[in-house]
Amino acid sequence: NAGVTQTPKFRVLKTGQSMTLLCAQDMNHEYMYWYRQDPGMGLRLIHYSVGEGTTAKGEVPDGYNVSRLKKQNFLLGLESAAPSQTSVYFCASMGTLKLALDEQYFGPGTRLTVT
Amino acid sequence: AQKVTQAQTEISVVEKEDVTLDCVYETRDTTYYLFWYKQPPSGELVFLIRRNSFDEQNEISGRYSWNFQKSTSSFNFTITASQVVDSAVYFCALKANFGNEKLTFGTGTRLTIIP
Repeated sequence: NAGVTQTPKFRVLKTGQSMTLLCAQDMNHEYMYWYRQDPGMGLRLIHYSVGEGTTAKGEVPDGYNVSRLKKQNFLLGLESAAPSQTSVYFCASMGTLKLALDEQYFGPGTRLTVT
Repeated sequence: AQKVTQAQTEISVVEKEDVTLDCVYETRDTTYYLFWYKQPPSGELVFLIRRNSFDEQNEISGRYSWNFQKSTSSFNFTITASQVVDSAVYFCALKANFGNEKLTFGTGTRLTIIP
């Protein structure tokens, strides 16, 4: 099992450009998440999904959109990148709430710089 | 609203010393779950431990131990006989039973072990 993978690992964008980050998991997990990590801020939840075809806003959703067309994939889109979106982005997945102690499994992260 | 506070932003200790990382949480739920994650310099997030609110037993795993005290809303993490490989950022996180698909992270503690 590859676990949770993220594409790309690094990206540099110019202000106003758009891009999509791809997260894929091969654990058949229901729940998927996108976080951003900034110095001194910990991890903040951007959007999440509780199953295929569903999405919900997290703590810092502005400027981002997401889609979960397939259970194994969760896409994070930036329509018009801004320097404030320079960050490290982490994707995570979790199995099921039947076992509420489930931990989240994290991808390796994507380092995005917006100039 | 939930909140996790890791007041120690950075800690440095000499190798072989013991070190305790503090975590204080706030939640209105009577059932909740606490987690610790490690983020080594390579950047990935590694799950260390989970604990539910009904289990106040301390846990020991090798050089790692966790002290959960509901009376003080704390879930502290101690590393005994620290090693250079313990150098990392450590995150404490909280998941409430209601709406428990989301994790709330603390801002992290950067631990540096000096050889």
